Amino acid sequence: GQNIDQPTEMTATEGAIVQINCTYQTSGFNGLFWYQQHAGEAPTFLSYNVLDGLEEKGRFSSFLSRSKGYSYLLLKELQMKDSASYLCAALDSNYQLIWGAGTKLIIKP
Amino acid sequence: GAVVSQHPSRVICKSGTSVKIECRSLDFQATTMFWYRQFPKQSLMLMATSNEGSKATYEQGVEKDKFLINHASLTLSTLTVTSAHPEDSSFYICSASLTGVENSPLHFGNGTRLTVT
Repeated sequence: GQNIDQPTEMTATEGAIVQINCTYQTSGFNGLFWYQQHAGEAPTFLSYNVLDGLEEKGRFSSFLSRSKGYSYLLLKELQMKDSASYLCAALDSNYQLIWGAGTKLIIKP
Repeated sequence: GAVVSQHPSRVICKSGTSVKIECRSLDFQATTMFWYRQFPKQSLMLMATSNEGSKATYEQGVEKDKFLINHASLTLSTLTVTSAHPEDSSFYICSASLTGVENSPLHFGNGTRLTVT
């Protein structure tokens, strides 16, 4: 079956760095997305990886290893506004998105 | 960037009535739009895939006659919750991706908080 695993919750300190991991098992693979979702709001797009390696966008970076079925989202210089849920989603061979349950990130001062 | 507008953002209705939610792609054409439902502290659950000019494809367990989807144009899809009941209270979110670009990221509407009393 198809499955996405990511931690349920993580806690980090303001100004620090946090890495949110995601492993996936899908029928075929056409890329992996990360979305940020604040409570009560719709998700917003953060990143898309389809090739192995690290993609950097400001304070956020996303990494993909296709051979390992693994991705991570790296958040640097954490700010209180980064407190949110981070959703990992893989695109399968039919270009259908398989969603993880999300990782709730709590930032402490 | 691509913008998806969803309306209304909040709606409260009485049990037994119907509610229509609109989803519009404002600056791009979307052959396909997606409707999600999200319960508190849970991830998105895909309800149906809305295809312009044809019938929507519903996920297993989603009642077609209860959640009516109409995708009449390349920029508008609507979801109508018919004969709503309190258990239909949820956060409904639409999304769309650029037509013809299969790995284009989904752009989400702001969601509709439905409360059925």
